Amino acid sequence: DAGVIQSPRHEVTEMGQEVTLRCKPISGHNSLFWYRQTMMRGLELLIYFNNNVPIDDSGMPEDRFSAKMPNASFSTLKIQPSEPRDSAVYFCASSSEGVNEKLFFGSGTQLSVL
Amino acid sequence: GESVGLHLPTLSVQEGDNSIINCAYSNSASDYFIWYKQESGKGPQFIIDIRSNMDKRQGQRVTVLLNKTVKHLSLQIAATQPGDSAVYFCAENWANTGFQKLVFGTGTRLLVSP
Repeated sequence: DAGVIQSPRHEVTEMGQEVTLRCKPISGHNSLFWYRQTMMRGLELLIYFNNNVPIDDSGMPEDRFSAKMPNASFSTLKIQPSEPRDSAVYFCASSSEGVNEKLFFGSGTQLSVL
Repeated sequence: GESVGLHLPTLSVQEGDNSIINCAYSNSASDYFIWYKQESGKGPQFIIDIRSNMDKRQGQRVTVLLNKTVKHLSLQIAATQPGDSAVYFCAENWANTGFQKLVFGTGTRLLVSP
């Protein structure tokens, strides 16, 4: 199994540009999570999908952030327009059906907004 | 002014020693807990989990202890090796939300000297 696959691995962009991060969860996993990691705030849950439906997006910082899951094998996190304070490592994770299931994380996307 | 990031507590041990990493969790209703290991440049990696109906669980070289009375979790690593050097996170599942909501602690850095 290839695990959770994220792309790109690194992204450098200028303030105001649109950024799209991509994630392919582990095949057969029903739940998908987007986390953001910064030195200031640690690991924060942004949004959680179950069976492709957004369940909890209370962690999404503001309207500039949006996430979609058009099918069971693909999700995107978009920031438009990006700002320097969005610079962070963004992780995607997936888990099996159920409430108390361990999450498997991807390698993350290191985003730098200049 | 200078921004202040999270100050990660650090545990320094000698190779071969036993390590104990502690974590205080916040939600008394949490019913599932996980320890993750994160190496530099990588995503969090699952180590061991425990459900709230248990107070101890053992894996290979690792043991997790749960004390619900004081909302405390610990990770014990036996015969610590240089490859164990990483940041360790505890995570709790906020079950009273009705769905999977894994909330992470701030982390502890483990440094193992040969």
